Amino acid sequence: ELKVEQNPLFLSMQEGKNYTIYCNYSTTSDRLYWYRQDPGKSLESLFVLLSNGAVKQEGRLMASLDTKARLSTLHITAAVHDLSATYFCAVDNPSQGAQKLVFGQGTRLTINP
Amino acid sequence: NAGVMQNPRHLVRRRGQEARLRCSPMKGHSHVYWYRQLPEEGLKFMVYLQKENIIDESGMPKERFSAEFPKEGPSILRIQQVVRGDSAAYFCASSQHSGAYEQYFGPGTRLTVT
Repeated sequence: ELKVEQNPLFLSMQEGKNYTIYCNYSTTSDRLYWYRQDPGKSLESLFVLLSNGAVKQEGRLMASLDTKARLSTLHITAAVHDLSATYFCAVDNPSQGAQKLVFGQGTRLTINP
Repeated sequence: NAGVMQNPRHLVRRRGQEARLRCSPMKGHSHVYWYRQLPEEGLKFMVYLQKENIIDESGMPKERFSAEFPKEGPSILRIQQVVRGDSAAYFCASSQHSGAYEQYFGPGTRLTVT
């Protein structure tokens, strides 16, 4: 059974600092996704990572994928308050007939001035 | 191009009543997925449907829950005889075809059972 674990689950940081959220998954997966969710809102897609070594960047967020280690990271550079949200990673395996997304528990990020 | 639409956005039901949640996928999308998010948790897959077919219902509770995606009209997630534990946010997502890169999520329906 495919499982996805994130850590940390809660992260409080100061503006201007850097930090990394980790996402481990248990079996081979085709794709890895990062989403952002603001309180009471839906999911906003941030990144889709498809292959080993993939790296994508958007503003202060950078995501990478190591399929051999079954690990993805979401790195936050010089955090600003607007990045406060809950971040989820998710994986799917359509080549194995599994279309569903399996989500991690989420990392609640709070950025303090 | 309108995104995934869900209604109602908020639904309050008393224990024992029925809840019907609707999802209209993005234009051109024929694959619909339902996920449930309990408070302070991640999303959990419930069911995957194509038009008139249930493809994967491995995440659906065995009793009281059902889903359909008719040839015409929205996908419906139906919860009979709701209990307090059904209180959650229910998200629908759609994709253009199986194996498509992304599932696009709707705004969700927040169900409260009193």
